[in-house]
Amino acid sequence: DTGVSQDPRHKITKRGQNVTFRCDPISEHNRLYWYRQTLGQGPEFLTYFQNEAQLEKSRLLSDRFSAERPKGSFSTLEIQRTEQGDSAMYLCASSLAVHTEGYGYTFGSGTRLTVV
Amino acid sequence: AQSVTQPDIHITVSEGASLELRCNYSYGATPYLFWYVQSPGQGLQLLLKYFSGDTLVQGIKGFEAEFKRSQSSFNLRKPSVHWSDAAEYFCAVGAGHTDKLIFGTGTRLQVFP
Repeated sequence: DTGVSQDPRHKITKRGQNVTFRCDPISEHNRLYWYRQTLGQGPEFLTYFQNEAQLEKSRLLSDRFSAERPKGSFSTLEIQRTEQGDSAMYLCASSLAVHTEGYGYTFGSGTRLTVV
Repeated sequence: AQSVTQPDIHITVSEGASLELRCNYSYGATPYLFWYVQSPGQGLQLLLKYFSGDTLVQGIKGFEAEFKRSQSSFNLRKPSVHWSDAAEYFCAVGAGHTDKLIFGTGTRLQVFP
């Protein structure tokens, strides 16, 4: 297993366009998280999946954002009608449940979104 | 509400010097605590984590951290810094049943030869 993969690494889009990012977690991890990181800040939680169920969404996740994890494997994060304020690094992470052996997050390298 | 404070935005040390990065947290229950390192344009790499037990935790790359409940702190230390340690360091607390991470704003470490 090569870890958590995110695609694309970089995305430049015009304001108002829709974008979709993909995350492939570590195969045996049942938990998947999306975070957003703006320049000079720590990552901020966006949403969380346990298997295919989306169990928590942050207030940061406006109606323009939607995330899915069909079949509990890879996940997609879509942003509709992008705004300049959406420019950020979008990080995906996966983990086992906390009380299991080897618990710990593994982060992907992120997708950097620039809205022009 | 849960929060993490990293009071030092930027720290500069000479190679070979010792290092301590400060982290204070606010969390009602026993926290799960983490330190991550991030190189420019990269994702986050886990340095070490604390769940319970021994309050002095050893991590990768020669780092260690000490959990002090009375001070609500989880400071990161390294006895001798290498130039390759220059990066951004984030402290985080695991919160709630989902174990989402609450991050501090980070400390940028610069290492001079």
